[in-house]
Amino acid sequence: KQEVTQIPAALSVPEGENLVLNCSFTDSAIYNLQWFRQDPGKGLTSLLLIQSSQREQTSGRLNASLDKSSGRSTLYIAASQPGDSATYLCAVPYSGGGADGLTFGKGTHLIIQP
Amino acid sequence: EAGVAQSPRYKIIEKRQSVAFWCNPISGHATLYWYQQILGQGPKLLIQFQNNGVVDDSQLPKDRFSAERLKGVDSTLKIQPAKLEDSAVYLCASSSNAGTRAFFGQGTRLTVV
Repeated sequence: KQEVTQIPAALSVPEGENLVLNCSFTDSAIYNLQWFRQDPGKGLTSLLLIQSSQREQTSGRLNASLDKSSGRSTLYIAASQPGDSATYLCAVPYSGGGADGLTFGKGTHLIIQP
Repeated sequence: EAGVAQSPRYKIIEKRQSVAFWCNPISGHATLYWYQQILGQGPKLLIQFQNNGVVDDSQLPKDRFSAERLKGVDSTLKIQPAKLEDSAVYLCASSSNAGTRAFFGQGTRLTVV
């Protein structure tokens, strides 16, 4: 059974800092990994999707890396802003049988102090 | 492009009552998912549909939860009877097909008292 762990559970940093969020998964037989953002009272927004053949993906100030062999991914946020405050979730899909629902970590609650 | 629509946004019921949630996926999306997110946890998949067929419902508590997707478009998720531990946000998501990026609705927050 796939398990996803995210560290740290919460993080509070001053505006402008670069930061790293960590995600680990137990079953390396994944075909992609996604990072999501969740704002209070809202649904999930997909930030980055990394295919298993890729090692990283970038979108603006966000960079996600994937190391399948070690079962780890990191989300790097450069020059953090107060608007980045949210919960960040890592997720990997089921594999096989046509089912591809996602298994999520518990998330990292991020606060960027102005 | 319209997103995934869910209703109601909020619902408060007493334990042992029944409740239903509705989801309208993005037009043309064949795959639809229901997730349960308990406070402080990540979302947990309850059921996945491909068109109007169930692909995976292994984590759906079938003694009290049911879901259907008649005509392969809209879907409803029902809980009967509700328990206190069912208090959560119920998220619906859709994708154009299995294996492609899924888009999430804003969710229905259920409180069971």
